[in-house]
Amino acid sequence: QSVLTQPPSVSGAPGQRVTISCTGSSSNIGADYDVHWYQQIPGKAPKLIIYDKNNRPSGVPDRFSGSTSGTSASLAISGLQADDEADYYCLSYDSSLRGSVFGGGTKLTVL
Amino acid sequence: QITLKESGPTLVKPTQTLTLTCTFSGFSLSTSGVGVGWIRQPPGKALEWLALIYWNDDKRYSPSLKSRLTITKDTSKNQVVLTMTNMDPVDTATYYCAHYSGWIDYWGQGTLVTVSS
Repeated sequence: QSVLTQPPSVSGAPGQRVTISCTGSSSNIGADYDVHWYQQIPGKAPKLIIYDKNNRPSGVPDRFSGSTSGTSASLAISGLQADDEADYYCLSYDSSLRGSVFGGGTKLTVL
Repeated sequence: QITLKESGPTLVKPTQTLTLTCTFSGFSLSTSGVGVGWIRQPPGKALEWLALIYWNDDKRYSPSLKSRLTITKDTSKNQVVLTMTNMDPVDTATYYCAHYSGWIDYWGQGTLVTVSS
């Protein structure tokens, strides 16, 4: 049971917009600690796609965006493409645990 | 260009101690704000954050595994070592090391460690 809760799966058709939630608490996201998002293709290492809530590393398309509200964060992917199909993880800091925590991961299926 | 690579045994027996080495290049672990962390992922399961060591030797551990983990650094060799004691089959996972600069921005390729007798 992860400290950060993500839906196990989401899906969308090509071209559509999907969002993936990451629900935390007052000791992590709610305490305004930064949230970061990673994309993982099966068999590969994770790749940073959003850092500091809504910043994209060089090379990540602007179809990916992040936001936070209260104790939750969200990753939005617009203009869905087949190669967006992957697992997505959120990461934040938890003051109670005095360390970083990952969400449980969300599998994105492009229909 | 920042790169990291994990090395260590691919197979360990239950109750043994696992020692993994992360060898990196493209940055210095003596630079303020920089850290190197370890994350694992059991087959088919989620990422799990394990430990982190900062440039100033500040160390952080996952509370659930703290009693079994030790993280150290050798700045002159550009290496970070993670030891995990009393290995169990449930510790079978791909172990990743990663570069921190406020967040994890670079990952190693990972190394699969299997715990079996």
